Amino acid sequence: DVKVTQSSRYLVKRTGEKVFLECVQDMDHENMFWYRQDPGLGLRLIYFSYDVKMKEKGDIPEGYSVSREKKERFSLILESASTNQTSMYLCASSRGGTTNEKLFFGSGTQLSVL
Amino acid sequence: AQTVTQSQPEMSVQEAETVTLSCTYDTSESDYYLFWYKQPPSRQMILVIRQEAYKQQNATENRFSVNFQKAAKSFSLKISDSQLGDAAMYFCAYRGTFYGTASKLTFGTGTRLQVTL
Repeated sequence: DVKVTQSSRYLVKRTGEKVFLECVQDMDHENMFWYRQDPGLGLRLIYFSYDVKMKEKGDIPEGYSVSREKKERFSLILESASTNQTSMYLCASSRGGTTNEKLFFGSGTQLSVL
Repeated sequence: AQTVTQSQPEMSVQEAETVTLSCTYDTSESDYYLFWYKQPPSRQMILVIRQEAYKQQNATENRFSVNFQKAAKSFSLKISDSQLGDAAMYFCAYRGTFYGTASKLTFGTGTRLQVTL
């Protein structure tokens, strides 16, 4: 089974801190994604990457950056955390191409910024 | 831009009964894919079912089936013989086939399904 592992299940940070959320997948997938999930808003795409060192902005990239130095790892960075970034963060991966490939998700990181 | 709308924030169904979750979407593309994902309390998103827009036949996966109406841009999920384990948040999602939409999924806001005895 494909495994997508997020480094933390729960995280508490202070306003202004630099925050790293890590995601690792073990199936050699080309595509990796970061979503945030908020009640009543569903999942919204922050950034995605279709290859090593490649990244594209999603629908809500402001306040975030990403890094993909190795194919299996995709990091989400909050340069200066703010309270409005308190949310559930979900990482996902999929094979490349334009077929109906499904996404494989991690279990999420619930981030609280105080 | 593509949008996905789930107008039912919460639904409830009795065990063994049938329930239908609604989803509509907006797109200018003619070829695309539609998905239903389930998120149980464990938070692990699981693919329930998927539909290719070019296929007229509705997809089915055991107790789960869809009613895909391309002209109406509607994609509802029917769960038959509901079980307690079906209780979860259900998300409808869209994926296009053109550059810029081909790799990413656009999700709806979700429907929380309760299953009662």
